[in-house]
Amino acid sequence: AQSVTQLGSHVSVSEGALVLLRCNYSSSVPPYLFWYVQYPNQGLQLLLKYTTGATLVKGINGFEAEFKKSETSFHLTKPSAHMSDAAEYFCAVIRGSGNTPLVFGKGTRLSVIA
Amino acid sequence: DADVTQTPRNRITKTGKRIMLECSQTKGHDRMYWYRQDPGLGLRLIYYSFDVKDINKGEISDGYSVSRQAQAKFSLSLESAIPNQTALYFCATSVNLAGENYNEQFFGPGTRLTVL
Repeated sequence: AQSVTQLGSHVSVSEGALVLLRCNYSSSVPPYLFWYVQYPNQGLQLLLKYTTGATLVKGINGFEAEFKKSETSFHLTKPSAHMSDAAEYFCAVIRGSGNTPLVFGKGTRLSVIA
Repeated sequence: DADVTQTPRNRITKTGKRIMLECSQTKGHDRMYWYRQDPGLGLRLIYYSFDVKDINKGEISDGYSVSRQAQAKFSLSLESAIPNQTALYFCATSVNLAGENYNEQFFGPGTRLTVL
């Protein structure tokens, strides 16, 4: 069964510092991988996704992630953190092959310190 | 107006009560989902529906039931609420496009349910 593991339930960075949120996946089929963001008191919105093709994926708000098959990883990065990036971030993988529901990681809360 | 709406946004109820959470969407999507979110556990799938006649259990369906009244409406019921069903509940939608292996899920704002 497909699954994702997010390393670190809480990450704290200074404003302007690099953001690195870690996600490792387990999948018996070529994975489709996603990062979602949840701002306080809101639903989730898609940051970026990897399906096929280029392994470095760019998303909204300056975030990007790189699919590394050899490391079974899909870490999320942003070169310079902004206060508005404070939120909870979820990595997810498609449940099976085809257009199936997502399996989410447990989430990483990002705090940005001024 | 929001594309995916959930009612109520907040609900406090007592153990043993029947509760219905409603989800409506104006996106014209055929697929709808119910998730619950608990601190430290992420989002877990309760039920999903790929069209009006298709209902599927997710990983934590026990104690819940659903109804797909129309393409745009998907309701989640707790027949006899218990305290460990206290959580944040999200509805989501997606569309099945021919030739696409994945289409983005769009989430509602959530319903915060407290069972005393």
